[in-house]
Amino acid sequence: AQKITQTQPGMFVQEKEAVTLDCTYDTSDQSYGLFWYKQPSSGEMIFLIYQGSYDEQNATEGRYSLNFQKARKSANLVISASQLGDSAMYFCAMREEKNTGNQFYFGTGTSLTVIP
Amino acid sequence: DSGVTQTPKHLITATGQRVTLRCSPRSGDLSVYWYQQSLDQGLQFLIHYYNGEERAKGNILERFSAQQFPDLHSELNLSSLELGDSALYFCASSVDRGRFGETQYFGPGTRLLVL
Repeated sequence: AQKITQTQPGMFVQEKEAVTLDCTYDTSDQSYGLFWYKQPSSGEMIFLIYQGSYDEQNATEGRYSLNFQKARKSANLVISASQLGDSAMYFCAMREEKNTGNQFYFGTGTSLTVIP
Repeated sequence: DSGVTQTPKHLITATGQRVTLRCSPRSGDLSVYWYQQSLDQGLQFLIHYYNGEERAKGNILERFSAQQFPDLHSELNLSSLELGDSALYFCASSVDRGRFGETQYFGPGTRLLVL
């Protein structure tokens, strides 16, 4: 089974609107971390937001928020007030904590296009 | 700017050749992870080093090897290159952010093209 599933290969959103990018994960661990990264066309991977499995409140970083639903094993990224510069690939990732060292898993990404 | 540096940014070489990719982690970060990103396989974990020691291996081919030096910079060596090795290679360094746990910060990547 895939550890991280992103079911939306591509998404479009109107400028200034909000958009939700879906992410579901699979783990049997109690302690894990969830991340979102942005990859613009320039290729760099930019860390956006983090949610810990024990965090009861949803993480927020500026216009980014993570809608964490533990029972459903989902960690959707919400971008409010979309800007043209938000057009990029977005990757969801999970950290599992093992005795031998943490393991990181990445989804296949969602391409977001913001329309003026 | 994540603080992680990678050189070179671009690399064009021929099949059968050998190349070395270099990564300098953020100041103070002891962990370096290497990833390969290709169009058909997404982001694949290759190998993880912590303070000079190999900690975990992912989908790394036998033709590939890596090491982390005492100054914590890391090198990824790719040999007997094939067309399918063309990809974007990232390194990421990580830090334990206390209650936030280990967080990875990525370098800008090295884009390898094998002709």
